[in-house]
Amino acid sequence: NAGVTQTPKFHILKTGQSMTLQCAQDMNHGYMSWYRQDPGMGLRLIYYSAAAGTTDKEVPNGYNVSRLNTEDFPLRLVSAAPSQTSVYLCASRRFDSTEAFFGQGTRLTVV
Amino acid sequence: QKEVEQNSGPLSVPEGAIASLNCTYSDRGSQSFFWYRQYSGKSPELIMFIYSNGDKEDGRFTAQLNKASQYVSLLIRDSQPSDSATYLCAALEGGKLIFGQGTELSVKP
Repeated sequence: NAGVTQTPKFHILKTGQSMTLQCAQDMNHGYMSWYRQDPGMGLRLIYYSAAAGTTDKEVPNGYNVSRLNTEDFPLRLVSAAPSQTSVYLCASRRFDSTEAFFGQGTRLTVV
Repeated sequence: QKEVEQNSGPLSVPEGAIASLNCTYSDRGSQSFFWYRQYSGKSPELIMFIYSNGDKEDGRFTAQLNKASQYVSLLIRDSQPSDSATYLCAALEGGKLIFGQGTELSVKP
């Protein structure tokens, strides 16, 4: 049972480059979210999706998502900036459950 | 986005003591609250959730909720070195899970 799978685990990106962080879940969960985690800042919600075809942006600019199906929720950095250096965590949960399951995270460095 | 606030710590307690972790939230509409534990370099994992005012116990862990004061806490009895981790408080707001900054707990042998 794979759960929530994120790829890549680590990546270094140059300022201005674009990149897509992948997130996939095999639990048929409706809700999916992207968070970034910085030291001392906890988890900050970036994007949220309640179902395929719907997304809700929580932070301004710099990121895009798509939810074309239930399983996949990729996060795209349009033009990377050093301020986007962080650990990115993807999570999913069922509609009738409050427990969120997290992927192992992507550690992204923008230089 | 409404806020969830925690003291970032670090909180240091001796082995066998009670560790007390606190959290406040700003959205009075929040109904469900969660405590996640995160070991260094790992992803968060759910420890407990609480919906109703009062206490909820699960083994060495007790979650407490006071909706009037918008306050949630987690007590860890008989703390062990293996409890050393960051503890994240979260509130469910309109389907979204909103986290606090996390409190780093260190249990000294």
